[in-house]
Amino acid sequence: DAKTTQPPSMDCAEGRAANLPCNHSTISGNEYVYWYRQIHSQGPQYIIHGLKNNETNEMASLIITEDRKSSTLILPHATLRDTAVYYCIVRASNTGKLIFGQGTTLQVKP
Amino acid sequence: GAGVSQSPRYKVAKRGQDVALRCDPISGHVSLFWYQQALGQGPEFLTYFQNEAQLDKSGLPSDRFFAERPEGSVSTLKIQRTQQEDSAVYLCASSFSNSPLHFGNGTRLTVT
Repeated sequence: DAKTTQPPSMDCAEGRAANLPCNHSTISGNEYVYWYRQIHSQGPQYIIHGLKNNETNEMASLIITEDRKSSTLILPHATLRDTAVYYCIVRASNTGKLIFGQGTTLQVKP
Repeated sequence: GAGVSQSPRYKVAKRGQDVALRCDPISGHVSLFWYQQALGQGPEFLTYFQNEAQLDKSGLPSDRFFAERPEGSVSTLKIQRTQQEDSAVYLCASSFSNSPLHFGNGTRLTVT
């Protein structure tokens, strides 16, 4: 599975968009980009995933560059409850497991 | 519907004791995963089941760790002769085929 690189921490003002970057320069053609987040004392929560097209759901948007070497998770209107560790993961389509890195700790401030 | 359920939520064991951690996956999910998460770190993969078959156990740190899923539903992670370095949160996840994994809230194991 390809590795990902994320900044260790980011701040965001409440009500503003949070843009979380991820580099995955060694991603291969059959690998998906997944995003999870983990709030203190809870298990990781699925947010969104994509292969090459941009994706949007009720939680977030995922923007994947044309060369697929990087992506950005966008939380359009961050709230204090979005404070969490966000993990960007590359997952092969023919395997089940997720390989987590260190993630980005997002602090949403009032 | 119910999510992934793990029990106990907290477990304290004395060094050398055996422990058993239980995972009830989402009904109908064929894939089940165990992860270990040390304080301040991301979850680390331990093992993976598809139905009752253990297809990948490459992440189990030693032969003291053993996982089973005899009927393809509930799974148990057993740790024999616990050591202090086994202290961590143990997470279980399930999924249907290659759909997103759904995680439980974990069992926090403290070995004293």
